[in-house]
Amino acid sequence: QSALTQPRSVSGSPGQSVTISCTGTSSDVGGYDHVCWYQQHPGKAPKLMIYDVTERPSGVPERFSGSKSGNTASLTISGLQAEDEADYYCCSHAGSYILLFGGGTKLTVL
Amino acid sequence: EVQLVESGGGLVQPGGSLRLSCAASGFTFSSNWMLWVRQAPGKGLVWVSRINPDGSVTNYADSVKGRFTISRDNAKNTLYLQMNSLRAEDTAVYYCAKDLTWNQLDYWGLGTLVTVSS
Repeated sequence: QSALTQPRSVSGSPGQSVTISCTGTSSDVGGYDHVCWYQQHPGKAPKLMIYDVTERPSGVPERFSGSKSGNTASLTISGLQAEDEADYYCCSHAGSYILLFGGGTKLTVL
Repeated sequence: EVQLVESGGGLVQPGGSLRLSCAASGFTFSSNWMLWVRQAPGKGLVWVSRINPDGSVTNYADSVKGRFTISRDNAKNTLYLQMNSLRAEDTAVYYCAKDLTWNQLDYWGLGTLVTVSS
């Protein structure tokens, strides 16, 4: 199965909102409510930011929110801050035991 | 505090073998699915393998099936990845991670670098 499709880069100014999309198929993103998002700073391990499409793990700011429509999931970051600059990866359960990741999106805070 | 600490990476020649370990603490290791995920230099995340809590069920990505073996020792709170017939394209940082639910991973180790090169 192919990786999920994400934009290579997005950018925004401090205080603004940005949205990162993650497009799959009806066999993964569209078929299950088990879509997640990771944040990864350079040289660091990924950090879970959103799971089950909309849920935030303890400690993740409310500025981070997730949604899904059809085969496309989205991560929205409101009130952008400098420390949000990182790579973001979406993930999706894809049936049986399959786990798919997106190709990653580099967020630049201008 | 949950901690996952990988070890065992290094430089290996094509066709060689390595065994990665992941020492877990701070949670009930024997109750959780565990996964290995890798990331080639400058590239994205790729799922490698996963194992159920008692070690009786294992799954692999097609790219490593037949070459890699995942296992665990719940008495030692340790996850393993035996990697044989290594190829240049296996070069990556290998992370072990704890499954929260449905392959969504809430804790990750810092990773261990595997370099396959002659």
